[in-house]
Amino acid sequence: NAGVTQTPKFRVLKTGQSMTLLCAQDMNHEYMYWYRQDPGMGLRLIHYSVGEGTTAKGEVPDGYNVSRLKKQNFLLGLESAAPSQTSVYFCASSSALVPGLDEQFFGPGTRLTVL
Amino acid sequence: SQQGEEDPQALSIQEGENATMNCSYKTSINNLQWYRQNSGRGLVHLILIRSNEREKHSGRLRVTLDTSKKSSSLLITASRAADTASYFCATANSGGYNKLIFGAGTRLAVHP
Repeated sequence: NAGVTQTPKFRVLKTGQSMTLLCAQDMNHEYMYWYRQDPGMGLRLIHYSVGEGTTAKGEVPDGYNVSRLKKQNFLLGLESAAPSQTSVYFCASSSALVPGLDEQFFGPGTRLTVL
Repeated sequence: SQQGEEDPQALSIQEGENATMNCSYKTSINNLQWYRQNSGRGLVHLILIRSNEREKHSGRLRVTLDTSKKSSSLLITASRAADTASYFCATANSGGYNKLIFGAGTRLAVHP
């Protein structure tokens, strides 16, 4: 099993450009999450999904959109990138078997720089 | 805003010594989890402690939880150079969906 994978690993954008980050998991998890991690800080939740076709806002959702058209995939979009969105982005997934008592499994991250 | 605050921000020890990291949080929780992050990598789950538990062990890891003080500690015994990483506490509240709020982390350096 590959676990949680993310593409791309690195990306440099110019201000105003758009891009989509792809997250895929092969563990049949119901829940998926997108976080951002800035230097010296912990992870902050951007958006999350509790099942195919559903999404919800997290702590820092502004400037991002997400979609979960297939259970195994969770996409994060930046419509008009800003320098403040320079960060490392992590995707994670979690089982719903024991709600509230499950660990999250993380992808390796995408390092995004917006010039 | 971040739920967990970790202390210390950085810790440097010699191999064989014990490392203790502390985490404080603000609101009531369902569980508290500790994760490890090696430089440039994703996070790896270490241990989960439920709100009705006080202590939990896993190998060289020992986690305590004091809900009255809203605090937790992670003890790594007999540390190794390979334990060098950042350690994060994360809390899940009763709202469900396993949503986590992370602290800023403790950077641990273990010197051979």
